[in-house]
Amino acid sequence: KNEVEQSPQNLTAQEGEFITINCSYSVGISALHWLQQHPGGGIVSLFMLSSGKKKHGRLIATINIQEKHSSLHITASHPRDSAVYICAVRLDSNYQLIWGAGTKLIIKP
Amino acid sequence: GAGVSQSPRYKVAKRGQDVALRCDPISGHVSLFWYQQALGQGPEFLTYFQNEAQLDKSGLPSDRFFAERPEGSVSTLKIQRTQQEDSAVYLCASSLAYGTYTEAFFGQGTRLTVV
Repeated sequence: KNEVEQSPQNLTAQEGEFITINCSYSVGISALHWLQQHPGGGIVSLFMLSSGKKKHGRLIATINIQEKHSSLHITASHPRDSAVYICAVRLDSNYQLIWGAGTKLIIKP
Repeated sequence: GAGVSQSPRYKVAKRGQDVALRCDPISGHVSLFWYQQALGQGPEFLTYFQNEAQLDKSGLPSDRFFAERPEGSVSTLKIQRTQQEDSAVYLCASSLAYGTYTEAFFGQGTRLTVV
C-alpha cells in the first residue's frame, strides 16, 4: 500500500462543474502540499497545509489531520484547469516529500 | 530571475553519452532538491543539498548519477553513460531554509530523452 493515495486517478468533467480530488496518507506528517503539473513537466505549488483550510481564487484545500485526509476543490472549473494534480506530504522529521501518483483532470468546454 | 530555472528544457542524448542538467534556484534558498519523474509517474527523490553540502543522495539510482552544488547556489546533475531508462523529466526544487514548514518552489524541469 502506498503511503500517499490519491483519488480519483483520472477525472473528466464539464466546464463549470465543482471538482474534488482526494488525498489520504498513512504516515505522520508536518505538512501536505497540493501541486499542479501541466504537460511539459513544470510543477507549480498550489498550497501547503498543516491544518484547516486554505483558499486561493477558485481553489480550496482542506486537511483533516486526525483522519489523515486532504481534499482539493476547484469551483467553477475551466478547461485551463486541466492538468495533473499531485498531493505530496512532508514527513514529521524529514525534508523529503512523499508523492501521490497524481490525478489527471480534464475539463471539457 | 524570480523562480527556479532549469536548463536545458529538453535534451536528447545518444545512449552512452554524458549529460549535465543545470538548476538555478531562487536566490538565497538554502535547500535544493533533485527529482526524477518517469512518464506517467510521480516524482522520485534523487538528492538533497543544504547550501553546498549534499546531505542525502540516497535516491540516486546508480553511480552514473552525480550531483554537485559547489558554491551553494547553482546545482548540476550529471548523468554518465546515459541509458534508455534514464529518460525522464528531471525536476529541481528549492526552498528558503531547511525546515519542514518551508515551501518548495519547482523549476519547469528538463526532459531527457535517451535514444
